[in-house]
Amino acid sequence: ELKVEQNPLFLSMQEGKNYTIYCNYSTTSDRLYWYRQDPGKSLESLFVLLSNGAVKQEGRLMASLDTKARLSTLHITAAVHDLSATYFCAVEPEEYGNKLVFGAGTILRVKS
Amino acid sequence: EPEVTQTPSHQVTQMGQEVILRCVPISNHLYFYWYRQILGQKVEFLVSFYNNEISEKSEIFDDQFSVERPDGSNFTLKIRSTKLEDSAMYFCATQTGIRNGYTFGSGTRLTVV
Repeated sequence: ELKVEQNPLFLSMQEGKNYTIYCNYSTTSDRLYWYRQDPGKSLESLFVLLSNGAVKQEGRLMASLDTKARLSTLHITAAVHDLSATYFCAVEPEEYGNKLVFGAGTILRVKS
Repeated sequence: EPEVTQTPSHQVTQMGQEVILRCVPISNHLYFYWYRQILGQKVEFLVSFYNNEISEKSEIFDDQFSVERPDGSNFTLKIRSTKLEDSAMYFCATQTGIRNGYTFGSGTRLTVV
């Protein structure tokens, strides 16, 4: 069974601090997605990582993908309150057809 | 930016009733999906649909569920006889092609009472 594991599941941090969310997956894949979800809302696409070594940055968020280690990271730099949300990684596995398998999500709370 | 539109945004239904959730995909998108998210939990794949037939379905997608694209525009998810455990947020997602990015709709919150 394909597993996608995120950690931590809950992260409370002070404004201005840095932190990293980790996403491990158990199958071969060269496509990984990061989404943001605000309470009661839909999934907002943050990053699409398409190959080993891919790194993308948008504002205070940077995502990377290591397909050999089956690991993606979402790094938060100098957090601000507006980043408070739930962050999901999702893997598009090569051998399971065309679909996304999501991690459990990381609830991020940035305190002023 | 093109959007995937879902209706209704919230539906409350009695256990045992049939519900139909609707999705209007982006016009040039060819691959369609339904996902669900039980409150506070992760997003789970239900079904994928291409060329007017199901490509893949999960264990959750049992005989109570069906999908169709009746008029070439709306993509619907029907639950024939709802159960309490069907209460969840249901998201439609679409793609232009396999291994392209996914666009998620705004979601329908289904509450079964």
